[in-house]
Amino acid sequence: DAGITQSPRHKVTETGTPVTLRCHQTENHRYMYWYRQDPGHGLRLIHYSYGVKDTDKGEVSDGYSVSRSKTEDFLLTLESATSSQTSVYFCAMGLAGGNTQYFGPGTRLTVL
Amino acid sequence: DAKTTQPNSMESNEEEPVHLPCNHSTISGTDYIHWYRQLPSQGPEYVIHGLTSNVNNRMASLAIAEDRKSSTLILHRATLRDAAVYYCILSPGGSQGNLIFGKGTKLSVKP
Repeated sequence: DAGITQSPRHKVTETGTPVTLRCHQTENHRYMYWYRQDPGHGLRLIHYSYGVKDTDKGEVSDGYSVSRSKTEDFLLTLESATSSQTSVYFCAMGLAGGNTQYFGPGTRLTVL
Repeated sequence: DAKTTQPNSMESNEEEPVHLPCNHSTISGTDYIHWYRQLPSQGPEYVIHGLTSNVNNRMASLAIAEDRKSSTLILHRATLRDAAVYYCILSPGGSQGNLIFGKGTKLSVKP
């Protein structure tokens, strides 16, 4: 969906470094989500936001933090990257909770 | 959260209809049935959703059993571009929108 983008699309980093992934939407959707996708686990929710400065934890939130200072931007930060956080990260947006979500193209993160 | 059961994989021939089944015997009255698909190396893509009645859109049709314990996603004429993993997901109405993705059904389309 052209209304939601992620940056960077690919990143390689070293263990112990902080990493920030950005999700940007142009649709003025209230809800935004961060998921990770790993082989054998499918997509799992990390954190989500239901408004500016309103966030909550998902299923696999340990080691991650998020911030949403503007409607259009939702940042995911790995405070100190570990190899277990090597994954593909998808963000999504939605008009209302429980309703349709539109996903970004994903960020492939490799932690060495 | 209510669980869904889907076949691991299905095959179809190009230009033929495809019926992708999903069982959700523990569905509650407020659960919406959502279908998403994920093409290789892309993010999940919304396909269709419904509550009780059958639904049609430009991508597919959703047939919901009368007791709502199962549903079927229908692709009327499969193309090679429809090869993807299809996820059937239950989402409670009014929830914060946490979609729980299972393993889905991997659809292969043969020319």
